[in-house]
Amino acid sequence: EVQLVESGGGLVQPGRSLRLSCEVSGFTFDDYAMHWVRQAPGKGLEWVSGISWDSGNIGYADSVKGRFIISRDNAKNSLFLQLMSPRTDDTASYFCVRGRGPGYYVALFDHWGQGTLVTVSS
Amino acid sequence: DIQMTQSPSSLSASVGDRLTITCQASQDISKYLNWYQHKPGRAPQLLIYDASNLQTGVPSRFSGGGSGTDFTFTVSSLQPEDIATYYCQQYSHRPYTFGQGTKVEI
Repeated sequence: EVQLVESGGGLVQPGRSLRLSCEVSGFTFDDYAMHWVRQAPGKGLEWVSGISWDSGNIGYADSVKGRFIISRDNAKNSLFLQLMSPRTDDTASYFCVRGRGPGYYVALFDHWGQGTLVTVSS
Repeated sequence: DIQMTQSPSSLSASVGDRLTITCQASQDISKYLNWYQHKPGRAPQLLIYDASNLQTGVPSRFSGGGSGTDFTFTVSSLQPEDIATYYCQQYSHRPYTFGQGTKVEI
């Protein structure tokens, strides 16, 4: 069974760094691109970032470019998102998502985690 | 960025009803359109990919169609467990964008 389990969310002050993690199981991690998608309270879904199977291709939404860093450790079956300078409008549930296939250009999200809530507030 | 406009934003229907949601892209996205179901407190679920392909394990009462800029999502016979918010999403161009969602109530 495919499982994606996020962790690392919580309350963070604006500008203070936070690192989200996603540990996966039930599939061969380095066969797949991975993504982060978020949902602000009462709002819809927003793609945040994606990374190819070998970390060779990475993309970000304009809203987080230069502030967030996506990475992965294939040896540990783990995906990460570093929030370098979070703002109050980054408050959201962050979902770890599997893409279909190794390239992140095929942004077809076939498995999702339950999400981890990040609250950015002073 | 490609804007995805869903309609309606919410609807109320009865068990057994046929319902249709539309999604319009601000530019041609060919067939690169997916549909997701999201229930509160649950992980979103992929239902339809590439406009009209049913994801494995998804009931056949769900279907999708369209290409280019205009797409539809249909539930042929609404069931109580279909209460959720539905989103379209394009992956023709980065950034990958979602519609604003359609909340379905009974």
